[in-house]
Amino acid sequence: GENVEQHPSTLSVQEGDSAVIKCTYSDSASNYFPWYKQELGKGPQLIIDIRSNVGEKKDQRIAVTLNKTAKHFSLHITETQPEDSAVYFCAARWTDKLIFGTGTRLQVFP
Amino acid sequence: KAGVTQTPRYLIKTRGQQVTLSCSPISGHRSVSWYQQTPGQGLQFLFEYFSETQRNKGNFPGRFSGRQFSNSRSEMNVSTLELGDSALYLCASSLRTGRSYEQYFGPGTRLTVT
Repeated sequence: GENVEQHPSTLSVQEGDSAVIKCTYSDSASNYFPWYKQELGKGPQLIIDIRSNVGEKKDQRIAVTLNKTAKHFSLHITETQPEDSAVYFCAARWTDKLIFGTGTRLQVFP
Repeated sequence: KAGVTQTPRYLIKTRGQQVTLSCSPISGHRSVSWYQQTPGQGLQFLFEYFSETQRNKGNFPGRFSGRQFSNSRSEMNVSTLELGDSALYLCASSLRTGRSYEQYFGPGTRLTVT
């Protein structure tokens, strides 16, 4: 089956710096890659996604890149702010199921 | 537009009991998926319902079951609860099933089994 690996598990950055989270997937049949942000006590919130026919997508301070050949995709957050602190999950859609990475705890220090 | 709602938000049950959790999807969404989230196993897919039919199922024992009603609301049931069933149960809705439709999550139901 599909396996999604996510790194790093924790990431600490200074406010204003950039943060990058990387994920790899194993099955080339996966065709949709969303990213979720989960704050304490809340459900995951969809923040950006990318489909397999696109290499990059940007939404304000957030961008996602996809390399189908290498089977990896990354989340880039620029000009980080304290409110970006949360757990971020990547996922891959495989056989109509979302397979999630293990999460990255991002801490942004003022 | 209102988001995905889940009830109850918190639940405490005793081992051996059964529990039913409820999920109301975003208006107009017809697909509902359920996930279990634990610190050790992360987010794991339980099952997906679309038009009152189970379309997909994860690797969970038969004690975990669900259903979907004609108004797209969904329930999941866990029978003969075990301590290891303690988790955050998340429901996610999407417009349709398959392909790459975005899934939106509810706040979850925190189940504690004692």
